[in-house]
Amino acid sequence: EDKVVQSPLSLVVHEGDTVTLNCSYEVTNFRSLLWYKQEKKAPTFLFMLTSSGIEKKSGRLSSILDKKELFSILNITATQTGDSAVYLCATDAGNNRKLIWGLGTSLAVNP
Amino acid sequence: GAVVSQHPSWVICKSGTSVKIECRSLDFQATTMFWYRQFPKQSLMLMATSNEGSKATYEQGVEKDKFLINHASLTLSTLTVTSAHPEDSSFYICSARDAGEGTDTQYFGPGTRLTVL
Repeated sequence: EDKVVQSPLSLVVHEGDTVTLNCSYEVTNFRSLLWYKQEKKAPTFLFMLTSSGIEKKSGRLSSILDKKELFSILNITATQTGDSAVYLCATDAGNNRKLIWGLGTSLAVNP
Repeated sequence: GAVVSQHPSWVICKSGTSVKIECRSLDFQATTMFWYRQFPKQSLMLMATSNEGSKATYEQGVEKDKFLINHASLTLSTLTVTSAHPEDSSFYICSARDAGEGTDTQYFGPGTRLTVL
């Protein structure tokens, strides 16, 4: 059965800290791994990763995929209170292209 | 990035009535759209995959006669919750797959919060 596992489930840090969120997966017909940020409304897209070892960056956020070990990490440096959210990882696999979702990591950044 | 809209954002209705939610891809064509439901503090739950011009594919446990999906054009999918009951109260989110060259990412609409009294 396809599955995506995120860790930790919940994290509380202080502003300025660096955090690393983990996502491991076991899926057939893997095509890509996606990271989303969800605050109070619907998820917003962060990154799509398809190739191993190529880091994607957007400001203080970066992510990388390891297709051999079947995991991805999302790094956030110099965290701010506005980074507080649930970070969701999903894989795009299979012919019907539906996403397989992790349960998310809830990040709280305290001032 | 690609924009997906949903309408309405918030709806309150009486038990037994039907509610239609629209999902539109504003600046790209979406042959595939997905409908999710999310209860408080829980992860997204995929309800169905909506394919333009064909019948939707429903996930196990989702009643297709209760959650009617229509994907009549490349930019519009609708979800109708028929004979809604309080247990249908939830946050309904659609996503649209942008399969344009070099992309192939799913973008989410802002969600529709349904409250059934």
